[in-house]
Amino acid sequence: EPEVTQTPSHQVTQMGQEVILRCVPISNHLYFYWYRQILGQKVEFLVSFYNNEISEKSEIFDDQFSVERPDGSNFTLKIRSTKLEDSAMYFCASAVVSETQYFGPGTRLLVL
Amino acid sequence: DQQVKQNSPSLSVQEGRISILNCDYTNSMFDYFLWYKKYPAEGPTFLISISSIKDKNEDGRFTVFLNKSAKHLSLHIVPSQPGDSAVYFCAAGDSGGSNYKLTFGKGTLLTVNP
Repeated sequence: EPEVTQTPSHQVTQMGQEVILRCVPISNHLYFYWYRQILGQKVEFLVSFYNNEISEKSEIFDDQFSVERPDGSNFTLKIRSTKLEDSAMYFCASAVVSETQYFGPGTRLLVL
Repeated sequence: DQQVKQNSPSLSVQEGRISILNCDYTNSMFDYFLWYKKYPAEGPTFLISISSIKDKNEDGRFTVFLNKSAKHLSLHIVPSQPGDSAVYFCAAGDSGGSNYKLTFGKGTLLTVNP
C-alpha cells in the first residue's frame, strides 16, 4: 500500500541553523500539507500546498518557513533560522482529493 | 483554540467490549470529520471519516456517528482488540476554500486490556 515517507526521522540542530525536512507524498496525490506537534500538545496545521503554490498557511508559518515541490515527487519544508520553540514532530500529509489526508511517520526536530 | 475537543484524555476497555471515543466541536463551518489512530513515534493513521451530510459511517469494526445539532461525534470500536491500544485523534475540516486544513483534538489514549 502506498504511503507517505519522510526524511530524516530525527534531526538535531543548533539554534539559528537552517533545516530542510523532506517528504515524498503518495504519487497520485494532489494536495500536500505540513503539520507539527509540539510535545504534549495538539497536532497543528502549518501549511497547505496545491497546484504548485501555497493555498493556506497558519500564523505559525511565518517568514522563517518555506515549502517547495522541487520535482515531481518531493515536498520540502525549510526553516531558515531555527528557534528553540521549533522543536517538534513535523508531519507531512498528502491527499488525492482534499478530504482524506494521509500522514507520514514524521520528523522529530530538536533545536538546541 | 479549542475548536475540536476530546474531553477524555484516556479510556480503558476490556478486550471484546465496545470502545466509545467522543469528540465535540464548536465551529459550525466544519463539514468533514476524520478519526486517526497514532502509535508512539509514528504518524497519524487514517481510520474512518464522515461528511456532514451523513450521520453514520461504518467500516468493519469502526463506526463513526455524527450529531450535527449537538456538534458531537463519536467513534465506536466493536469488538475492541489489544492492538487497538493507541492514541485516537478526532480531526475536522472546513471545505470553505481552505483545502480542508484539519483541526485536531488533543487525543484520547485508548488501552484495551486482554
